[in-house]
Amino acid sequence: QKEVEQDPGPLSVPEGAIVSLNCTYSNSAFQYFMWYRQYSRKGPELLMYTYSSGNKEDGRFTAQVDKSSKYISLFIRDSQPSDSATYLCAMRRPSNTGKLIFGQGTTLQVKP
Amino acid sequence: NAGVMQNPRHLVRRRGQEARLRCSPMKGHSHVYWYRQLPEEGLKFMVYLQKENIIDESGMPKERFSAEFPKEGPSILRIQQVVRGDSAAYFCASSPSGQGMNTEAFFGQGTRLTVV
Repeated sequence: QKEVEQDPGPLSVPEGAIVSLNCTYSNSAFQYFMWYRQYSRKGPELLMYTYSSGNKEDGRFTAQVDKSSKYISLFIRDSQPSDSATYLCAMRRPSNTGKLIFGQGTTLQVKP
Repeated sequence: NAGVMQNPRHLVRRRGQEARLRCSPMKGHSHVYWYRQLPEEGLKFMVYLQKENIIDESGMPKERFSAEFPKEGPSILRIQQVVRGDSAAYFCASSPSGQGMNTEAFFGQGTRLTVV
């Protein structure tokens, strides 16, 4: 069993739709949770960064963490074609800044 | 303020040759991490280095792979006697310190290694 599970998609939505991306994990030691966006043949770009449980909002993006269920989500409101990319969830223990455990990534396509 | 710089962006090697991948961290960052991304897979941690020290190499293959981060110059990921299975995108990330909430890692654009 993988430490972090993420549905690879692909996920196709019309422009303006609300997108929900999700990951589950098995290691309760994870305390920091991140979402990265990766465009084709580019490096991952940090989108959202959350500590422990709760919600965090940044513009059209909202990250949610439910540690009791070991479940994290990223919501994208008013999705745009420019949001078309692969979204990677990542998480780590408190003592390991760079040792991130990534999900497989979900490929999102937003159609105009 | 330049980001994490990796070179070359693309590297082609024949089986049995050596591959050297370079990473210059962001200014002020002294912690470097290497990840590998195989086709259709997520990123896998390989190694964590500070200047002149390997902190965690739990993700490095036991043979042919090595990494260094010298006092001066970029971090180097070296792959000796490459095989076709080494073909992947290799990403470097850097952070200003190793612990704490505000020390998330920033990634470079990657080096795409193709072994022919």
